[in-house]
Amino acid sequence: EDQVTQSPEALRLQEGESSSLNCSYTVSGLRGLFWYRQDPGKGPEFLFTLYSAGEEKEKERLKATLTKKESFLHITAPKPEDSATYLCAVQEGSARQLTFGSGTQLTVLP
Amino acid sequence: NAGVTQTPKFQVLKTGQSMTLQCAQDMNHEYMSWYRQDPGMGLRLIHYSVGAGITDQGEVPNGYNVSRSTTEDFPLRLLSAAPSQTSVYFCASSSAVIAPRGYTFGSGTRLTVV
Repeated sequence: EDQVTQSPEALRLQEGESSSLNCSYTVSGLRGLFWYRQDPGKGPEFLFTLYSAGEEKEKERLKATLTKKESFLHITAPKPEDSATYLCAVQEGSARQLTFGSGTQLTVLP
Repeated sequence: NAGVTQTPKFQVLKTGQSMTLQCAQDMNHEYMSWYRQDPGMGLRLIHYSVGAGITDQGEVPNGYNVSRSTTEDFPLRLLSAAPSQTSVYFCASSSAVIAPRGYTFGSGTRLTVV
């Protein structure tokens, strides 16, 4: 059974304090790993797709990386507007769905 | 703006009542799906559709029904509401089951069953 585990559950950072969020997964044949951002009261918003180990994607202060067992979302010099819940999801080769982790709630204090 | 539209945004039901959550997209996406989000459990797939006339069950389908008569619309029906169905429901769509840009989500329907 596919499993996706995100850690930590919650993270509080000072503005400018860089850190990383973790997403570990166990699937039989990864087709894609997705990162989403979710603001309170809204639906998840797509950030990145990673397909193979060693791949990296960047967008502003965010950088996602992928290994064979986990993915990291690195946040460099975060700002208060980066506060949100970050969700990780995986898609197995033959699956017609995404399997989501429970998310990391990030709070960036000014 | 193009995207996924869900209605209503909020709903309170009594146990045993039925209702339909509406979902519409204007991006001509073939793949549509319904997820529920509960605290600490992540998003779980209820039902999905790979095109008009084709639907299938996800991880937690019991108590829910779907149909897909058009590409644009994918309503979710609660047959007889139960308190365990209190949750936030999200509809999502994409151009394909395996979509490079992931899924586009609606803003959700917050359902409370009393």
